[in-house]
Amino acid sequence: EVQLVESGGDLVQPGRSLTLSCTASGFIFGDYAVNWVRQAPGKGLEWVGFIRSRRFGDIKEYAASVKGRFTIARDDSKRIAYLQMDSLKTEDTALYFCTRGPHAFCSSQSCHSDYWGQGTLVTVSS
Amino acid sequence: DIQMTQSPSTVSASVGDRVTITCRASQSINLWLAWYQQKPGKAPKTLIYKASNLESGVPSRFSGSGSGTDFTLTISSLQPDDFATYYCQQYSTNAATFGQGTKVEIK
Repeated sequence: EVQLVESGGDLVQPGRSLTLSCTASGFIFGDYAVNWVRQAPGKGLEWVGFIRSRRFGDIKEYAASVKGRFTIARDDSKRIAYLQMDSLKTEDTALYFCTRGPHAFCSSQSCHSDYWGQGTLVTVSS
Repeated sequence: DIQMTQSPSTVSASVGDRVTITCRASQSINLWLAWYQQKPGKAPKTLIYKASNLESGVPSRFSGSGSGTDFTLTISSLQPDDFATYYCQQYSTNAATFGQGTKVEIK
């Protein structure tokens, strides 16, 4: 069974950093891209960024709202993807989901999500 | 970034109704569109990818169509389990974007 479990969400002050983890099981992690998607309280979905598999160059892309502040990484040996968030702002408060991106059905630029984790909550407040 | 606009924002319908949700892209995205269903307090569930391909396990009453800039999600006969919010997402560019969502509520 495909599973994605996010962790690391917390209450942090503006300007501080936080790293989220996404632990995968039930599939060959290294064969898939990983997306990060967030949802502010009561709002819609916002794509944050993604990382391709090593076979596709480990390419990373980010939304304009987080570019330069957030960094996505992966450790295929541990089956974990990371979202490092620096210089956090109050508007980064959201439930953060990691999702699996199936390369076989991705465009040349990015991937949709076929499986989703349950999310981890990040609250940025003083 | 490509803007995705869904309509309507809310649709009130009854069990058994045919429901259609529209998603329009600000520029052509070919077929690179996915649809997701989200229920309150739950993670989204993927319904359709590449405009019209049903994810495994998704009931056949769901269907997707369109290409270029105009897309639709159709629920042929609304079931009690289908009351939820639906999102489209384009993944044609290196900055994927979602529509604002369409809530399907009980009439």
